[in-house]
Parts: sequence; structure tokens; C-alpha cells
Amino acid sequence: EAGVTQSPTHLIKTRGQQATLRCSPISGHTSVYWYQQALGLGLQFLLWYDEGEERNRGNFPPRFSGRQFPNYSSELNVNALELEDSALYLCATSGGRGNIQYFGAGTRLSVL
Amino acid sequence: QKEVEQDPGPLSVPEGAIVSLNCTYSNSAFQYFMWYRQYSRKGPELLMYTYSSGNKEDGRFTAQVDKSSKYISLFIRDSQPSDSATYLCASNAGGTSYGKLTFGQGTILTVHP
Repeated sequence: EAGVTQSPTHLIKTRGQQATLRCSPISGHTSVYWYQQALGLGLQFLLWYDEGEERNRGNFPPRFSGRQFPNYSSELNVNALELEDSALYLCATSGGRGNIQYFGAGTRLSVL
Repeated sequence: QKEVEQDPGPLSVPEGAIVSLNCTYSNSAFQYFMWYRQYSRKGPELLMYTYSSGNKEDGRFTAQVDKSSKYISLFIRDSQPSDSATYLCASNAGGTSYGKLTFGQGTILTVHP
């Protein structure tokens, strides 16, 4: 069974540009979560989507947004990129009791 | 104060040692407790999860949760060099925060041959 897949693996952008990151869930999982793992800051919760709706949001500015599609895959969009947005962006999905989350390999975003 | 505190280490042990990794948490609403292993430049891999207090064993790994003291532990028996990684504890609560995992800072473990 395929795990959580994220694309692209690496993304290089310049300040002010927009980045789009993608996530495909494990088959049968309906919830998608996004986390940011910046150097020295640990894993920070960004967004949670379930059944196409945004359910919860972390302490990030509105230029971080996303959506979930009918097939439960998800996109994370980051507008007006800043240098401090450089990080590993991780997608996790869950599909049962307890919201046990399984992670993808991540997209490494570098903002120059 | 962070909701989940974890000693970042680094922790260095010889092969075959028993490793003890620990976290404390402050949010009484936390219900599920997970341990993830993360190799360098990879995504976190779920090792184990427990619900409420108690022990859970899976091969060389044992997870313990003591809700009375708000203490989470992971024990690794017969540690191997392949266990060298960053170990992350995480918890989630109910209600509107249900989907959000709160992570500790991670403990860097090195197992020497």
C-alpha cells in the first residue's frame, strides 16, 4: 500500500514568489495535515483539512493557505515568500480513531 | 512553557544498550501519545502510539504513558546503529484541537557499533 506522497521533493523560490506544495494521502484517509519543520524550531502545526473543509489552523499568517480536493489530496500555497519560510514542509494523513497521523517525506522549500 | 517538553540530547550509547527517551506535557486534554522516528532529511515515521495511560510493547520498543505525572517514555532494548535518528514525542487533544499534533523538540540519538 502506498504511503503519503508529497511533491515536489525540493522547491527553490525567491522572495516574494508563490510556492505550491502537493500531498496525496494514504488510500482511505480523509484528513490531511500540514506541518512546518524549520531549523531549530521543531514541527509546527499549519493546517488541518477534513472532508474538503479547513478544520483548524496554526499560528501562521494568512499567506499560508491550502485546500483539499474531492479525492482527499491537498495543496499548500505560500504567497509572498519570505526568507524565513525556508523549511521542510510535511504532510500527514489520518483516517481513523485518534487521528493517528502518518507522514510523507516532505518538501524542502528554499527561499533565496 | 511549551505544551510538550523533550530533552534534545544529544544522546550517545553503545550498541546493545537500553535507551530511555522521555517527554513531559502540560495539557491535561491530551489523549493520544505518539512516538515518531525521523532520519536526517526524511519525514517522521510513526513508531508507536498509546491512548491514555499504560504501556505498549512492539518488538524492541516499549512506550509508557503516566497521565498522573504527565510523563511519556519510550524504551529501546538492544539498541542498534540503525536506531540512530531523532525521536519525537507528540500528543493530541480533543475538541477543536483534535487534528493538531503537538510535538516535543526531538531527541537526537546515536548508537555506536
